[in-house]
Amino acid sequence: SQTIHQWPATLVQPVGSPLSLECTVEGTSNPNLYWYRQAAGRGLQLLFYSVGIGQISSEVPQNLSASRPQDRQFILSSKKLLLSDSGFYLCAWGRGGWNTEAFFGQGTRLTVV
Amino acid sequence: QKEVEQNSGPLSVPEGAIASLNCTYSDRGSQSFFWYRQYSGKSPELIMSIYSNGDKEDGRFTAQLNKASQYVSLLIRDSQPSDSATYLCAVKESSNTGKLIFGQGTTLQVKP
Repeated sequence: SQTIHQWPATLVQPVGSPLSLECTVEGTSNPNLYWYRQAAGRGLQLLFYSVGIGQISSEVPQNLSASRPQDRQFILSSKKLLLSDSGFYLCAWGRGGWNTEAFFGQGTRLTVV
Repeated sequence: QKEVEQNSGPLSVPEGAIASLNCTYSDRGSQSFFWYRQYSGKSPELIMSIYSNGDKEDGRFTAQLNKASQYVSLLIRDSQPSDSATYLCAVKESSNTGKLIFGQGTTLQVKP
């Protein structure tokens, strides 16, 4: 069966510090991978998605970046965090194809102070 | 910008009643539609997927799709307090990029 791991679960970082969140998927190959952010009381905002190694599509201009160094690894980074980067960050995976669902990791709650 | 719209609620129903959650989408070519449930502080979990016009039933849940009206709904029969959560509608973009867009979610409260 497939599983998705996302860590850490919670993170408190000062303004201006760097960020690295990692997500890995097991039990499948060539998955679609997604990073979403959810602000308090809001819906899911798609930040990045990837259909293959090195293929990253960015949805929202911001000071975040994403990378996919391996088939089942997706990393979200920032060089300098802003207060507005606080939120619940969710990684998800899905099989390629038009009719496939996405499954979420446990999420990282980031507070920038 | 393709959009998915939901009423944020809260939608309040008594225990045992039918809860009806609605979603509209702007991408006329979309073929894949999903409902997720999200408890407070947790990540979303998939509860239903639907691809064809009509109804799809799974236990107490029924998803309904009308592509001509660009409308998706979720019915929850015999609502239970444990169904209290935020329900997110998601639509896969027609360009087959793999892009999955979510609505803002509807908060459901089931009162005992």
